[in-house]
Amino acid sequence: QKEVEQDPGPLSVPEGAIVSLNCTYSNSAFQYFMWYRQYSRKGPELLMYTYSSGNKEDGRFTAQVDKSSKYISLFIRDSQPSDSATYLCAMCGWRSNDYKLSFGAGTTVTVRA
Amino acid sequence: SQTIHQWPATLVQPVGSPLSLECTVEGTSNPNLYWYRQAAGRGLQLLFYSVGIGQISSEVPQNLSASRPQDRQFILSSKKLLLSDSGFYLCAWSHSGQNTEAFFGQGTRLTVV
Repeated sequence: QKEVEQDPGPLSVPEGAIVSLNCTYSNSAFQYFMWYRQYSRKGPELLMYTYSSGNKEDGRFTAQVDKSSKYISLFIRDSQPSDSATYLCAMCGWRSNDYKLSFGAGTTVTVRA
Repeated sequence: SQTIHQWPATLVQPVGSPLSLECTVEGTSNPNLYWYRQAAGRGLQLLFYSVGIGQISSEVPQNLSASRPQDRQFILSSKKLLLSDSGFYLCAWSHSGQNTEAFFGQGTRLTVV
């Protein structure tokens, strides 16, 4: 079993729809959770960074963490064609000698105009 | 502000030739540095990471090596490329001594022919 599971999609939605993305994980030591957006042939760009359970909003983006269920989500409201990209979840634990992130495989999203 | 530079953006190399990819970070001291490889449609595979000058940890046995000759410089090398070394190589950095988010360069697309 992979440490982080993420449905690769692809996911296609009409412009203006809500995009819902999620990841599950198995390592209860994970404390920090991130979402990255990656356009084709570019490096991943950090979108959201959260610590602990709960919601965090940033503009049209909402990140949600449920540690009890080992489940994280990213919601994109009022989606735009420019949101078409691959979205990667990432996470790490709180250990002073562990600086490695565990990544999901990424979900490819297409927003249709 | 911090920036990361990675070059070249694209590289085509014959089998058996050497490789040197360079990455530099500006605006921070003693960063953690990482080399990832991303195969088409797949997630990020951590190849090497470094928490200080001359300190390299290898995650996957392979035809590649990494070096950190200066605090903010990270180099990925190979003496003889294989066809299987083709892929998208990403350099990243994170803040020293903390389990925080990583910031990525724009990547190098390597094709071994």
